[in-house]
Amino acid sequence: DIQVTQSPSSLSTSLGDRVTITCRASQSISTYLNWYQQKPGEAPKLLIYAASSLQSGVPSRFSGSGSGTDFTLTISSLQPEDFAIYFCQQSYSTLYTFGQGTKLEIK
Amino acid sequence: QVQLVQSGTEVKKPGASVRVSCKASGYTFTSYYIHWVRQAPGQGLEWMGTLNPSGGTTTYAQKLQGRVTMTRDTSTGTVYMELSSLRSEDTAIYYCARGGQEMASAFDIWGQGTMVTVSS
Repeated sequence: DIQVTQSPSSLSTSLGDRVTITCRASQSISTYLNWYQQKPGEAPKLLIYAASSLQSGVPSRFSGSGSGTDFTLTISSLQPEDFAIYFCQQSYSTLYTFGQGTKLEIK
Repeated sequence: QVQLVQSGTEVKKPGASVRVSCKASGYTFTSYYIHWVRQAPGQGLEWMGTLNPSGGTTTYAQKLQGRVTMTRDTSTGTVYMELSSLRSEDTAIYYCARGGQEMASAFDIWGQGTMVTVSS
């Protein structure tokens, strides 16, 4: 199976900060990398698909980049509603795998 | 609107089976893959398997092979996930999620989740 490793596992940040989360795949996955946000008690929500495409309705402060094995999710200016857990997922292999998650906490 | 609505909370004893349903609405049921993902308490997301509602074909995670079965009822637009020989490690929230029209697509719509507790 393709492994995806996310870092950091947690991040203490402040409102207005620029945040970057990284995801590394164990082999090249082209741009088959997706990002999800999960808030407590809720189902995950798709933010970015195909590495850099913004899902409809997602604010433009979210962006994604990368290809091959290395990917990033960037939040340009943190808003109160952005404190959540973020997961990456590879869909190159149909044995889909998720990263371990990154929890954004308020500093 | 496009939505997936799942069945309610389940409590089962070790060794039993559980069946969770996921009813789709607002789109053409047979045109999009349905995936099942579970999340143990305080843990990450684990993909369990995929069903193609058009032909009923399935792909399962290796660790669940032999214990998980995914089926669909095209007349009602409902997908079912059955997990047998339950053990305490199966305690989790189970989500269904809509994929794309291709297997490599992201999961764009999620059900609300179904809590399954396995306890003696």
